[in-house]
Amino acid sequence: DPKIIQKPKYLVAVTGSEKILICEQYLGHNAMYWYRQSAKKPLEFMFSYSYQKLMDNQTASSRFQPQSSKKNHLDLQITALKPDDSATYFCASSPDRGDTLYFGAGTRLSVL
Amino acid sequence: QQQVRQSPQSLTVWEGETAILNCSYEDSTFDYFPWYRLFPGESPALLIAIRPVSNKKEDGRFTIFFNKREKKLSLHITDSQPGDSATYFCAASPSSSFSKLVFGQGTSLSVVP
Repeated sequence: DPKIIQKPKYLVAVTGSEKILICEQYLGHNAMYWYRQSAKKPLEFMFSYSYQKLMDNQTASSRFQPQSSKKNHLDLQITALKPDDSATYFCASSPDRGDTLYFGAGTRLSVL
Repeated sequence: QQQVRQSPQSLTVWEGETAILNCSYEDSTFDYFPWYRLFPGESPALLIAIRPVSNKKEDGRFTIFFNKREKKLSLHITDSQPGDSATYFCAASPSSSFSKLVFGQGTSLSVVP
């Protein structure tokens, strides 16, 4: 059974709309992250959270907002979607900051 | 500017051969180098990792060779199997933040029976 659940697996959106990507981890980890992989680009760090607090933010755009309602949840809200936002978004977690990362299977977002 | 580079972009080897995947980096503060493997439709999973206190790390058929002076490392997969066919990502991070990984673009490995 997957221990890091990302929903949905595939998502199609229209330009200008808003979507929320869901991530839940059942590993008992205290740190959670978002990474993004756009076409022909490496996996790119976006955010890190520790004990539900934002620790690092590498995303320039405020259109990307992580939301942590529970310790094992870190959702990603994306507003005013653009075609360039099309990518696979990976959620990850680690026991604490600085530990090995465990990844979810990703949400593949396509913005038309 | 890409801080972690991988080569080749894709690699095909015969079953039983040794696959060699290369990685180089630019940032001297990088202190932790994991390799992740990604099968289609699955999650990237940690395969093996090295810290510069040593220049070699071995785990079964997988070995990392590390050259700190040249800022290069390589992953050797001996006795390659078709089940090893996947995309392999080299990553790096500073010791101050092991979780803030910088990834290479990946090497797509195909092992032909």
